[in-house]
Amino acid sequence: SAVISQKPSRDICQRGTSLTIQCQVDSQVTMMFWYRQQPGQSLTLIATANQGSEATYESGFVIDKFPISRPNLTFSTLTVSNMSPEDSSIYLCSVQGQGRYEQYFGPGTRLTVT
Amino acid sequence: DAKTTQPTSMDCAEGRAANLPCNHSTISGNEYVYWYRQIHSQGPQYIIHGLKNNETNEMASLIITEDRKSSTLILPHATLRDTAVYYCIVRVRGVNNAGNMLTFGGGTRLMVKP
Repeated sequence: SAVISQKPSRDICQRGTSLTIQCQVDSQVTMMFWYRQQPGQSLTLIATANQGSEATYESGFVIDKFPISRPNLTFSTLTVSNMSPEDSSIYLCSVQGQGRYEQYFGPGTRLTVT
Repeated sequence: DAKTTQPTSMDCAEGRAANLPCNHSTISGNEYVYWYRQIHSQGPQYIIHGLKNNETNEMASLIITEDRKSSTLILPHATLRDTAVYYCIVRVRGVNNAGNMLTFGGGTRLMVKP
């Protein structure tokens, strides 16, 4: 299994500002995923981030709003830009297991935008 | 990925078996059935997966019908710590770097009661 940590665990931010969320994995992984979970809702995939290539964004998510970095095989960042209250969510990173069957998730970053 | 249908919520008495159903009538021949759960304020946790045979691990058993159009996750002796949202997901096993994202539906909120 993979152990994933995220920073910060939670934050309260003002409208119009940006927040960068960090995701650190204890092993080298090729594929990392970023999900959003709005209050009371299920998870929605934002983008897939492979090391050495541009992130692939899902419908409804754009790079200008959610820029992603993937500098190496153990680390990624997701930035939530020009935040509005609608961005208040839990943001989770995830990696694929070695067997390619399972995925492992970080604990999430709880973001509140005021 | 095939769409899944799960009951919104279920209750189970502590110590009894919890049987969580999932319908996936449009599943393709190469799609696996995965189960994840999300305990409150945590990231999702992989439980089990299967293709067509029944599977068992230390957490649960997965029963897949012969026509593969439905499955049941069984927690043999539910405890209070099993209270969570359980997600049934069908998708192709990750091959190389393509199409490995998970599509989460609404899930079943299982409440284990003393």
